[in-house]
Amino acid sequence: DTAVSQTPKYLVTQMGNDKSIKCEQNLGHDTMYWYKQDSKKFLKIMFSYNNKELIINETVPNRFSPKSPDKAHLNLHINSLELGDSAVYFCASSQVSGGGNIQYFGAGTRLSVL
Amino acid sequence: DAKTTQPPSMDCAEGRAANLPCNHSTISGNEYVYWYRQIHSQGPQYIIHGLKNNETNEMASLIITEDRKSSTLILPHATLRDTAVYYCIVFHVYPGTYKYIFGTGTRLKVLA
Repeated sequence: DTAVSQTPKYLVTQMGNDKSIKCEQNLGHDTMYWYKQDSKKFLKIMFSYNNKELIINETVPNRFSPKSPDKAHLNLHINSLELGDSAVYFCASSQVSGGGNIQYFGAGTRLSVL
Repeated sequence: DAKTTQPPSMDCAEGRAANLPCNHSTISGNEYVYWYRQIHSQGPQYIIHGLKNNETNEMASLIITEDRKSSTLILPHATLRDTAVYYCIVFHVYPGTYKYIFGTGTRLKVLA
């Protein structure tokens, strides 16, 4: 079984559309994350949820809205897609304890906005 | 901003040890050093982490200098499948802030 699974793997869409990416983890972790990796391969955190509560919200346009219906799921909805949103989006999860925060990443969703 | 500095690229012969350095001169006493790798465009994969002592697991060894200002990840017998971008991250669990800051990493190429 895949520990952190994202759907879809590829997403091609037109500018101005609204799309969602789903993420599920079966590791029993309390914390989940969304990262964006742009064309220069720079990996940057966008959001993090701990037990369904938003704890990290980097300077991301408010067109991006994460939703965590339960601690095993963290979805990312993007409104009014722009060309600059084209990137690979990774979901991750972890169980934070002491100094430990080993994050497990999904395989990524490659978003192309035309 | 990333708190670590790594060489942009390195080559290693297959079967040899790959030694990947990382500078983290501003690390504080309660920050851990974590290593991840990203093979092609897959999701990053955890390798190893440590605080002060050297660590070893089935994938790699981590050597942290006594002053903790730098570390080295060692892949003892590199294979072609170890070709990847390797990221060194310093991390501290602040309550409510479980945030990694990824740098640009080292692109390791293992040569046949």
